[in-house]
Amino acid sequence: GESVGLHLPTLSVQEGDNSIINCAYSNSASDYFIWYKQESGKGPQFIIDIRSNMDKRQGQRVTVLLNKTVKHLSLQIAATQPGDSAVYFCAENERTGANSKLTFGKGITLSVRP
Amino acid sequence: DAGVTQSPTHLIKTRGQQVTLRCSPKSGHDTVSWYQQALGQGPQFIFQYYEEEERQRGNFPDRFSGHQFPNYSSELNVNALLLGDSALYLCASSRGTASSGNTIYFGEGSWLTVV
Repeated sequence: GESVGLHLPTLSVQEGDNSIINCAYSNSASDYFIWYKQESGKGPQFIIDIRSNMDKRQGQRVTVLLNKTVKHLSLQIAATQPGDSAVYFCAENERTGANSKLTFGKGITLSVRP
Repeated sequence: DAGVTQSPTHLIKTRGQQVTLRCSPKSGHDTVSWYQQALGQGPQFIFQYYEEEERQRGNFPDRFSGHQFPNYSSELNVNALLLGDSALYLCASSRGTASSGNTIYFGEGSWLTVV
């Protein structure tokens, strides 16, 4: 698999390989993190989330890892498929008192080679 | 169970005009947030509505206003449109805030082009 930070716009992987997408978040007080997948012309699609009291969460073919010490989040996709090609965003839930809002990273394009 | 639905899907407006975008939250959700997504960028928070009140606002001018109805649906209004308002406008809904442990879902968005 390959890994890249969100400061690089594109990740290209071979079909069947594992993909790792990294994200650095900014607010140490953020308590909830989400990965979204966005296909061209569509809205963000929820993939997986993780709360700040956890460091790992697994879904179907996806795993999210959270390292609060260095404010780092990663999304691992196992056995990447052509249908995984999309732009991926990490989002952190920033709290202000009783309110909260999502702040998104810039996104990275995942391109799967057949 | 319908997810978050938005209308219209696409529209074109002239600079200086006004636009209203609509959102129906996912069933059982009472909190609606609006985001603006410029081409090639991540979504930017505009504001959030809960119990028919604006609870929180992002860094957007007063030309952007909204409303939430008793059935939890919401409208986003933008006055005096500028070319830079051209973007995908996204509605997101949740049950309470994310901090209370509920997932946030997005609609497919409304594509606004200002000419």
